[in-house]
Amino acid sequence: AQSVAQPEDQVNVAEGNPLTVKCTYSVSGNPYLFWYVQYPNRGLQFLLKYITGDNLVKGSYGFEAEFNKSQTSFHLKKPSALVSDSALYFCAVRAIVGFKTIFGAGTRLFVKA
Amino acid sequence: DTAVSQTPKYLVTQMGNDKSIKCEQNLGHDTMYWYKQDSKKFLKIMFSYNNKELIINETVPNRFSPKSPDKAHLNLHINSLELGDSAVYFCASSQVVLAEAKNIQYFGAGTRLSVL
Repeated sequence: AQSVAQPEDQVNVAEGNPLTVKCTYSVSGNPYLFWYVQYPNRGLQFLLKYITGDNLVKGSYGFEAEFNKSQTSFHLKKPSALVSDSALYFCAVRAIVGFKTIFGAGTRLFVKA
Repeated sequence: DTAVSQTPKYLVTQMGNDKSIKCEQNLGHDTMYWYKQDSKKFLKIMFSYNNKELIINETVPNRFSPKSPDKAHLNLHINSLELGDSAVYFCASSQVVLAEAKNIQYFGAGTRLSVL
């Protein structure tokens, strides 16, 4: 069975500092991994995905994520946080075959000016 | 142009009523989804249709019935609404490539349902 864990309900970081939002996953076979962001009163928006290849994936708004197979992790990172990055972030995993994407519980990122 | 649009945006109703939420996508995608996001922001898949065929049907009360008249539409009808149905419901769509799962989902803005 697929599952995703986001161990932090909230991450607080000062503007200009690096940020990390953690995600670990469990899936049979090779995973497809995604990060989505949700701003208040909006639907989820795609940020980035890992399918295959380079373990470091770059996405929208300067975000990147690193796939670590041995640790079954896919942490989201950004070198320098902006106040406008404050939002709810969801990690998601999907098996190679099938239609179901499983979302994590979400991590609220709060960037303080 | 809005890619995935849901109506209404807000829905306030009494317990026991029947209501529908509509979803339309203009992306040409062949797969559509309904998700429920509860007050703790946990997002859970409810249904998915691929080319008008039901492919995901999670453990959802049978008071919830999805209907897909064509690939571009997936509506959600809810009978006998209960207090616990209060949540934000998101529609999403994607283009699924057979035997691959790398498609990106595009979400609507959500329908906030409040059952009083």
